Amino acid sequence: GEDVEQSLFLSVREGDSSVINCTYTDSSSTYLYWYKQEPGAGLQLLTYIFSNMDMKQDQRLTVLLNKKDKHLSLRIADTQTGDSAIYFCAEIFRSGGSYIPTFGRGTSLIVHP
Amino acid sequence: NAGVTQTPKFQVLKTGQSMTLQCAQDMNHEYMSWYRQDPGMGLRLIHYSVGAGITDQGEVPNGYNVSRSTTEDFPLRLLSAAPSQTSVYFCASGGTGVNYGYTFGSGTRLTVV
Repeated sequence: GEDVEQSLFLSVREGDSSVINCTYTDSSSTYLYWYKQEPGAGLQLLTYIFSNMDMKQDQRLTVLLNKKDKHLSLRIADTQTGDSAIYFCAEIFRSGGSYIPTFGRGTSLIVHP
Repeated sequence: NAGVTQTPKFQVLKTGQSMTLQCAQDMNHEYMSWYRQDPGMGLRLIHYSVGAGITDQGEVPNGYNVSRSTTEDFPLRLLSAAPSQTSVYFCASGGTGVNYGYTFGSGTRLTVV
């Protein structure tokens, strides 16, 4: 599979913005995803971006994509304690005729008052 | 909608025992996969299937078997459990379009003693 790299931890104060970064390796990826995992739960799709886009905004979430540098970021505005979770970046790579998602190791976001 | 249902939620096995982790989805998704999640390792793909009767190996397939006799079900079998298989296992499903996000089950926490 391809490698998806993320930093493991991020700590922010409530009300600040959080920026979670990700780098990927497969330049042919057509979609890139952000997932959120709350304690004891499975992963939940937060948002995705098509590779021909530079930015996508969805309420408090902003996704930025730099295809040249293969860099993806997720910005959470006005971060709340309920945003504390592990965030996974994922890319799709082709294996034969199948599209297989590859996940990063996840970034643990800790929001403190 | 139930989405992706995994059973059991928790399981303790003795070394050498066998068991099957169940996964069922009711969204008529063609793609199904099994991941294991270990601390600091992110999600690692065990096996995946792109349709009934079709399975393939992922990154860490050793010690695990799968089959896909129906679109809805994708069981994961541990033939002879080992302590190294202690982990949290997630099943996921998705449509064949690459813009489809993947839906995850809530996980099975397996301990092998």
